[in-house]
Amino acid sequence: DTEVTQTPKHLVMGMTNKKSLKCEQHMGHRAMYWYKQKAKKPPELMFVYSYEKLSINESVPSRFSPECPNSSLLNLHLHALQPEDSALYLCASSQVAATGGSYEQYFGPGTRLTVT
Amino acid sequence: GEDVEQSLFLSVREGDSSVINCTYTDSSSTYLYWYKQEPGAGLQLLTYIFSNMDMKQDQRLTVLLNKKDKHLSLRIADTQTGDSAIYFCAERAGNNRKLIWGLGTSLAVNP
Repeated sequence: DTEVTQTPKHLVMGMTNKKSLKCEQHMGHRAMYWYKQKAKKPPELMFVYSYEKLSINESVPSRFSPECPNSSLLNLHLHALQPEDSALYLCASSQVAATGGSYEQYFGPGTRLTVT
Repeated sequence: GEDVEQSLFLSVREGDSSVINCTYTDSSSTYLYWYKQEPGAGLQLLTYIFSNMDMKQDQRLTVLLNKKDKHLSLRIADTQTGDSAIYFCAERAGNNRKLIWGLGTSLAVNP
């Protein structure tokens, strides 16, 4: 099973709202990722969690707040977003990088976020 | 710096072979990946190749790697309309968790 699930599939929120995106995997992966993707562009890395600890933050604005409550779950809390934050938000998971592995990342279907 | 380049568009007839090309600059690349993205969907891992391999075949997919020229290609045999999508090439250097992505090649399959 190489499935990563994400909820909700679509989300429309106002600039003053607080919402959360959720991601789940049951592949035993200990690295989980959040990406932002604009239409017809490659995904941009936002955050990486390794063994439930934040290991990479790609200088993401504080209005995006990630959380990894356990090894299977990853959340992205959203607050006071701007219209330019509208995008497809993708979650991915992989084995943790160590010498010699392929560490391929498996992606979920994404949450289509619209900020009004 | 690190860079991955792909041609942006490819159009083929149904039943023909498609070849999508990718070049990269980082000589320390260890793994190279091909992902497929259909409209409105997430990224699907198609295949990957380790940098000490020249070729990898998986059913209709053949990956060729020329490490000297830093050139990677994905060949899709007997291309079908369901293969219409954007194909992203990505590389990983060493144990780095961050992938370097190409801009994607939009494949259009015409009946």
